[in-house]
Amino acid sequence: GAGVSQSPRYKVTKRGQDVALRCDPISGHVSLYWYRQALGQGPEFLTYFNYEAQQDKSGLPNDRFSAERPEGSISTLTIQRTEQRDSAMYRCASSLPDLETQYFGPGTRLLVL
Amino acid sequence: AQSVTQLGSHVSVSEGALVLLRCNYSSSVPPYLFWYVQYPNQGLQLLLKYTSAATLVKGINGFEAEFKKSETSFHLTKPSAHMSDAAEYFCAVSESTGNQFYFGTGTSLTVIP
Repeated sequence: GAGVSQSPRYKVTKRGQDVALRCDPISGHVSLYWYRQALGQGPEFLTYFNYEAQQDKSGLPNDRFSAERPEGSISTLTIQRTEQRDSAMYRCASSLPDLETQYFGPGTRLLVL
Repeated sequence: AQSVTQLGSHVSVSEGALVLLRCNYSSSVPPYLFWYVQYPNQGLQLLLKYTSAATLVKGINGFEAEFKKSETSFHLTKPSAHMSDAAEYFCAVSESTGNQFYFGTGTSLTVIP
């Protein structure tokens, strides 16, 4: 594809429900990153992968958050037992190996009621 | 630890006037520095980046930024603002390739006709 795609673009869910957010990186991009952006703030790092290996998950706020990238391409960020404080824009980015630029998708706006 | 400070969460300029958006960073190693722009309902788009080559970096849409190590700054400028420049601008720092980005809180630019 031409760029990073994310789905769904908008997700409204009730507190306590699980949600899965999907990221499809640019073809050939080895590294994939997840960020969370609260209203009025800059994106904050959650986790990243090189190929299928999760390299750093230090930004995941608690054990309700998990991510996977089983085949080294598409990634899923899962939030279990959602809470209202999870409401935010979730952004995915990808990059080529050994290059510094990250390319961002349009984001998924999550609203937990 | 790395961090980014963007002074001024909102900046207003008249059409045709100079645009100056400020970014200061902290990093324990020579950083990579980026400016991203976010138009309404769109993803983050790379404007320009500094990766230890020329300290004056030119980006898209007439923007440029100068890396000043002594001031730990990477301010974004454009000589003449255009209405289409109205957007949210984010400064980001990275320690190396394959590392997470640290973003500032963003500056919302308004261009007054």
